[in-house]
Amino acid sequence: AQKITQTQPGMFVQEKEAVTLDCTYDTSDPSYGLFWYKQPSSGEMIFLIYQGSYDQQNATEGRYSLNFQKARKSANLVISASQLGDSAMYFCAMREGGWIYNQGGKLIFGQGTELSVKP
Amino acid sequence: SQTIHQWPATLVQPVGSPLSLECTVEGTSNPNLYWYRQAAGRGLQLLFYSVGIGQISSEVPQNLSASRPQDRQFILSSKKLLLSDSGFYLCARGTSGRRNTGELFFGEGSRLTVL
Repeated sequence: AQKITQTQPGMFVQEKEAVTLDCTYDTSDPSYGLFWYKQPSSGEMIFLIYQGSYDQQNATEGRYSLNFQKARKSANLVISASQLGDSAMYFCAMREGGWIYNQGGKLIFGQGTELSVKP
Repeated sequence: SQTIHQWPATLVQPVGSPLSLECTVEGTSNPNLYWYRQAAGRGLQLLFYSVGIGQISSEVPQNLSASRPQDRQFILSSKKLLLSDSGFYLCARGTSGRRNTGELFFGEGSRLTVL
């Protein structure tokens, strides 16, 4: 079974509008972390936002927010006020297990959603 | 700053030829290091990870191998490349410090085309 599912291969959004990118996950571990990364056409992977499974509030980072619905096992990324520079691939990822004292654990990635922002 | 260098950035190799992709990390000691592969239009697949010198864990059986000869050096190799080895290879390191959230930081990647 897929651990991370992103059901939207491609999305279009008008500049300055908000957009939601879907992500569902599957784990039996009570402690886990959820991540979103952005990959522009250059190929680099840019970390955007993190949500821990025990975090009480949804994570926010500037124009990015994570709509975390634990019971539904979903962690959707919301981008407010889209900009042309937001056009990129977006990946949802999960780390199973609690926070890591040393230096991070393995991340499992979804297949990605390609976002295109229209002027 | 903690920087990840990958080289070469692009590589075109014939089927059956050997491969060596190198990743070096600056600004941190004893990092967890990872090799991911991204096929065209696909997500990232974890190939190998290492928690220290000489310690390599393989995630999927394949035509590739990894080595960590030094603390900040991670090498991806193959003795004979297959067409299916084509892809974008990304090296990543774990974050350091107590109570870190565990995000990975990636290098700029090496794009391999096997002909």
